[in-house]
Amino acid sequence: EDQVTQSPEALRLQEGESSSLNCSYTVSGLRGLFWYRQDPGKGPEFLFTLYSAGEEKEKERLKATLTKKESFLHITAPKPEDSATYLCAVQAGQGGSEKLVFGKGTKLTVNP
Amino acid sequence: DTAVSQTPKYLVTQMGNDKSIKCEQNLGHDTMYWYKQDSKKFLKIMFSYNNKELIINETVPNRFSPKSPDKAHLNLHINSLELGDSAVYFCASSLWTGEGEKLFFGSGTQLSVL
Repeated sequence: EDQVTQSPEALRLQEGESSSLNCSYTVSGLRGLFWYRQDPGKGPEFLFTLYSAGEEKEKERLKATLTKKESFLHITAPKPEDSATYLCAVQAGQGGSEKLVFGKGTKLTVNP
Repeated sequence: DTAVSQTPKYLVTQMGNDKSIKCEQNLGHDTMYWYKQDSKKFLKIMFSYNNKELIINETVPNRFSPKSPDKAHLNLHINSLELGDSAVYFCASSLWTGEGEKLFFGSGTQLSVL
């Protein structure tokens, strides 16, 4: 069964204190790994898709990387507005299935 | 303009009742989904429709019945509600882009079964 584990469950940072979130996965035939951001009371918002080991993508203070077993979301010099829950999801298998399997998320709090 | 809108935002009801959640997307996407986010915050797919045709039907009780009158709408009807159905339900639609598949989520419907 496809599994996605995110760590830590919660992370508190001071503004400007860089850190990384981890997403480890066990799937057969990874088709894509996705990062989403979810604010309280809202639906997840798409951040990145990664397809192959070694791939990296950046957006503002966020950079996502992918290896064969895990992905990292690096946050450089975070600001309070980066506070949110960050969700990792994988799409696996064949046959055109659109199913995403999500992790539980990492709740990030950035204090001013 | 709201891309994926679902109503109601909050739904409080008694056990045994039947309720519906409506979802509409104005993005022109062909694929729509229902996801359930439980109290432990796990987001799990329930159904997927592509151009009004059911594509994915996870292990969901048959009390849950999705209906897609057209590709812009995917409604969720729930019969005989149970306490365990309490959760946040998200509708989503998807688009394949140069960055891969993007899911666009609605803001969720918080269902509380008393």
